[in-house]
Amino acid sequence: GNSVTQMEGPVTLSEEAFLTINCTYTATGYPSLFWYVQYPGEGLQLLLKATKADDKGSNKGFEATYRKETTSFHLEKGSVQVSDSAVYFCALNSGGSNYKLTFGKGTLLTVNP
Amino acid sequence: GAGVSQSPSNKVTEKGKDVELRCDPISGHTALYWYRQSLGQGLEFLIYFQGNSAPDKSGLPSDRFSAERTGGSVSTLTIQRTQQEDSAVYLCASSLRQGNEQYFGPGTRLTVT
Repeated sequence: GNSVTQMEGPVTLSEEAFLTINCTYTATGYPSLFWYVQYPGEGLQLLLKATKADDKGSNKGFEATYRKETTSFHLEKGSVQVSDSAVYFCALNSGGSNYKLTFGKGTLLTVNP
Repeated sequence: GAGVSQSPSNKVTEKGKDVELRCDPISGHTALYWYRQSLGQGLEFLIYFQGNSAPDKSGLPSDRFSAERTGGSVSTLTIQRTQQEDSAVYLCASSLRQGNEQYFGPGTRLTVT
C-alpha cells in the first residue's frame, strides 16, 4: 500500500535560517505529492503540490521537487520567518477512484526570532 | 466564500455514548472526505463520498463508525458506543470533483472520558 515517511521533529530554527524537511514515499503507479501546513489553531491548508516527476511545487517561498528516482519530495525554504512556525505534512494520492490522501506523521517547525 | 465548516468544534463525551459530527462542505463540491488526526496514528483516511454514495469506506476503524451524506452536501459521521481510543480530531475535506484540491475544515476535537 501507499505510505509516506517524513522527518520527525520537532525542528527549531532561528529566523532567516535554511529549512529542509525530508519526505519519502512508497506508492503504486504515479502519485501526486503534496505538502500541507497546519498553523496553530487552524485547519490544514495546501502549501504546494506536484503531479508528475521532476515537477517543482512552490508557494510562499517554499519549494519541493518530485524526485521519482529517489521517491522523495523534500520541502525547502531559503529563509524562514517566525510566521512559518507550524506543523508540516507530506502527503500523496495515487489517483484511482477516490484520490484519498495518505499523510506522513507531520513535522513541527518552530522558528525563533 | 465560505469554507468547509464542522460542528461541534469540541465534544466531550462519556465512554459508551454515541456522538454525531457534522461537516458542511463548500457549496458545489461533489467529493467529501473524512480523516482522523490522533497522536499515535497521525492523519488517517476514514471514508470518501462522491455525491451521496460512499465508494470507499476502507478507513472506518470498526462497525461502530458510520457516515452518511444527504443532498450531495452535509455529511454526518456517527460513532456509536464511544471508546477512549476514539479520542482524536476528526477532519472533513471537500473538493470540487475527485482529484481536485481538497479543502479542509477546522476539525472536531472529540474527547472520550
